Order: sequence, then structure tokens, then C-alpha cells
Amino acid sequence: GAVVSQHPSWVICKSGTSVKIECRSLDFQATTMFWYRQFPKQSLMLMATSNEGSKATYEQGVEKDKFLINHASLTLSTLTVTSAHPEDSSFYICSQIAGGTYEQYFGPGTRLTVT
Amino acid sequence: AQSVTQLGSHVSVSEGALVLLRCNYSSSVPPYLFWYVQYPNQGLQLLLKYTSAATLVKGINGFEAEFKKSETSFHLTKPSAHMSDAAEYFCAVTGSNTGNQFYFGTGTSLTVIP
Repeated sequence: GAVVSQHPSWVICKSGTSVKIECRSLDFQATTMFWYRQFPKQSLMLMATSNEGSKATYEQGVEKDKFLINHASLTLSTLTVTSAHPEDSSFYICSQIAGGTYEQYFGPGTRLTVT
Repeated sequence: AQSVTQLGSHVSVSEGALVLLRCNYSSSVPPYLFWYVQYPNQGLQLLLKYTSAATLVKGINGFEAEFKKSETSFHLTKPSAHMSDAAEYFCAVTGSNTGNQFYFGTGTSLTVIP
């Protein structure tokens, strides 16, 4: 299957700062990537769909000015959490679609802790 | 619209016993169904998938699932539980009209008792 990497795997930041999370497709080009967040003991919640070369599509209730998504190339999408607060602490996971299928390949996730 | 329901947020089985994790789906188009496993602080790993071919799907680690259209179900089973199977399991559905968007169930936490 496709390999998706995320960096960093774990980050701690102070309240009010911004954090950038990278999602890379290592073995094929991904025109579409998805960003999810997952709270402890809960399921994945889709935040946004990232499309290469265009604006991301955000799910209802997700603040697009707070969660900035950039998909500038076919192998890299970034999620920037701006002015982070403790309630933004969560596990963030990206995924990409396998070309020509309905399958998604998931990254290993990024644990964000805001103090 | 698509959705999945996982009955039982927590399931406990003894080592060597049958594992049965339930998933029911709702879909307005022929569904594509997936089971993923997640270990603590890790991403999701695909166990198996149904994409309109054989209704009995075999996956990794001895897991299998059967697509039953009449029951709108896609339950995950394993004949004999192993300690390493303890993890969180998610069922997901997508369809041809969803733009590849996945709809996840709420997850089932599997505990294996030695």
C-alpha cells in the first residue's frame, strides 16, 4: 500500500503559538488528501479535504482561519493550527486516496499537546 | 447519505476465543466498506476491504468479514483471538457519490483476556 508520513509525530506548544504539521505522500502523487482529528477514545472526525492547487474544503464547524491547510504539491499537504489553545490538543491524522480506488491510506498521526 | 454503526464500544474476549465486532451500514449507493485497526498513538492500518467483489473478504492477521446486503452488515470476525489483537477497530464506508469521503463508526475497543 501507499506510504504516508507525518511530521512531527508529537509536538508540545504553548498556548497562542502556531504549529505546522506536514503530511507527505512518499510513493505516489496525491491530488486529494484528508485531514482528521481524533480525541481520546473517540473516532476520527473529518476536518477538511485538501486539494492540490486549490483551496481546501472544510467540514461544517471547522474554523478555516484557525486550521490552515496548504496543498502546494502533489506530495505534500500541511495543516497549521494557528493560535493554538489547550482545547486544540488532539491527535491529527492525514490520509490520501489510492489512485483509481476508494481506499485511503493513513499517516501515523501527530499528537498535539497545547499547554 | 452514508453512515456506519458499530454496536458495542467495548468487547472483551478470552485468548483463543472467537472475535466478533459488529458493523452495520447505511448507504444510498453500493457501498465500499473497510475495517481498520488502530494501536495506541498510531495511525490506522487497513485490515480488509469490500469493494463489490467477493462478499466474504479475508484480511490480514487472520481477520475476515462478510458483506451481507440483506442485513446491511459487515461484521469482522477472527476464529481465535490473540493478545496482540487488543486494539481499537473502526468500520468505515464510502461510496461512489461521496467524493471518496469516508464515514467512520465510533470504534470498538477490543480487550483480550489471557
